[in-house]
Amino acid sequence: AQKITQTQPGMFVQEKEAVTLDCTYDTSDPSYGLFWYKQPSSGEMIFLIYQGSYDQQNATEGRYSLNFQKARKSANLVISASQLGDSAMYFCAIGKRDSNYQLIWGAGTKLIIKP
Amino acid sequence: DTAVSQTPKYLVTQMGNDKSIKCEQNLGHDTMYWYKQDSKKFLKIMFSYNNKELIINETVPNRFSPKSPDKAHLNLHINSLELGDSAVYFCASSPPWGLGYGYTFGSGTRLTVV
Repeated sequence: AQKITQTQPGMFVQEKEAVTLDCTYDTSDPSYGLFWYKQPSSGEMIFLIYQGSYDQQNATEGRYSLNFQKARKSANLVISASQLGDSAMYFCAIGKRDSNYQLIWGAGTKLIIKP
Repeated sequence: DTAVSQTPKYLVTQMGNDKSIKCEQNLGHDTMYWYKQDSKKFLKIMFSYNNKELIINETVPNRFSPKSPDKAHLNLHINSLELGDSAVYFCASSPPWGLGYGYTFGSGTRLTVV
């Protein structure tokens, strides 16, 4: 069975600083994917970034990067130069690498950016 | 052009009533899902359909019944609503070409049972 752990229930960060949100996972599947989603206070779920287990390089999307350490089974999200609009819940999820995949979700981290 | 649209966005109803939530996606995805997000923001899968076929049916009271008339639609019907059903329900879809693209979520339906 797959499992995701997000150990930071909440974080406060000063605007313009970099943020690292922790995510560790447990799976026995050799082929899997890791996802990060953002949920602002308005409630919608926004896909941020994806990392495949066989990807050699860490994924990046604009200010978001995923610090993938396979041996440690961690997939931390790094947000560079944080902005007030980054305040939201952030969820990490893991899924098997097949066509009908179910994502297993972490409990989320509430990030608040201070001006 | 909303990719995954859910209606209604808000639903307030009394205990014991029956209600439906509708979901439609225009992305051409084969797989659709219903998730429940509780008051602590925890996301739990309820159902998944692939091309109108039920493929995931988690431990959910049988008062909840999904229906997929075609691969673009997945509706959720709830009978005899209870206070504990109050939550945000998300519809989502994913493409058939595997991981890498994530789910696309609807905007959610906030159900309040009073």
